[in-house]
Amino acid sequence: DQQVKQNSPSLSVQEGRISILNCDYTNSMFDYFLWYKKYPAEGPTFLISISSIKDKNEDGRFTVFLNKSAKHLSLHIVPSQPGDSAVYFCAALSMYNNNDMRFGAGTRLTVKP
Amino acid sequence: DGGITQSPKYLFRKEGQNVTLSCEQNLNHDAMYWYRQDPGQGLRLIYYSQIVNDFQKGDIAEGYSVSREKKESFPLTVTSAQKNPTAFYLCASSDSYSNQPQHFGDGTRLSIL
Repeated sequence: DQQVKQNSPSLSVQEGRISILNCDYTNSMFDYFLWYKKYPAEGPTFLISISSIKDKNEDGRFTVFLNKSAKHLSLHIVPSQPGDSAVYFCAALSMYNNNDMRFGAGTRLTVKP
Repeated sequence: DGGITQSPKYLFRKEGQNVTLSCEQNLNHDAMYWYRQDPGQGLRLIYYSQIVNDFQKGDIAEGYSVSREKKESFPLTVTSAQKNPTAFYLCASSDSYSNQPQHFGDGTRLSIL
């Protein structure tokens, strides 16, 4: 039972344009959400997170938006750069069980020069 | 440099053999985790440990065993009972306090011949 879903396995954008990666979740107990970035042959690295008390969190070129009523979050990368090409994982957890983090299947982003 | 070291990067074993994957961290983190990644799927939790000498099963613990004798080490044994052991295994660690992002190692790719 996938509680965190990333329905787009891949996304291709032109350098300088916006990349929007989407994530949906089903468990209403999730109250903290994270995005990880993964390059081939490396482990995921933490990118940005958002608590359910917020609807937006920004860090440089990366912004995460949370729509709790829709159980949907998205990661915006503006402007996209070729070095952003990687697999992006969405993850979610509940503060009451913060060891049980659930991951989406990932979206492979390709930024074309 | 602080980080998580997984070794080896690639591991080949014959069917029916137990194999142990190493995970060491020098981040002074209390919690450690083991995940499995299969193509087209998100990371799935195998086991986690919040403190030394204590560990809990994740979603897919069958056929695996762990130990946590030292804070910095959390080895995973893939036993012959694991029906489909060929996968990419990721170890992670985090502070015990809630919502601290997990830090990942670079993974071990296990192939059963």
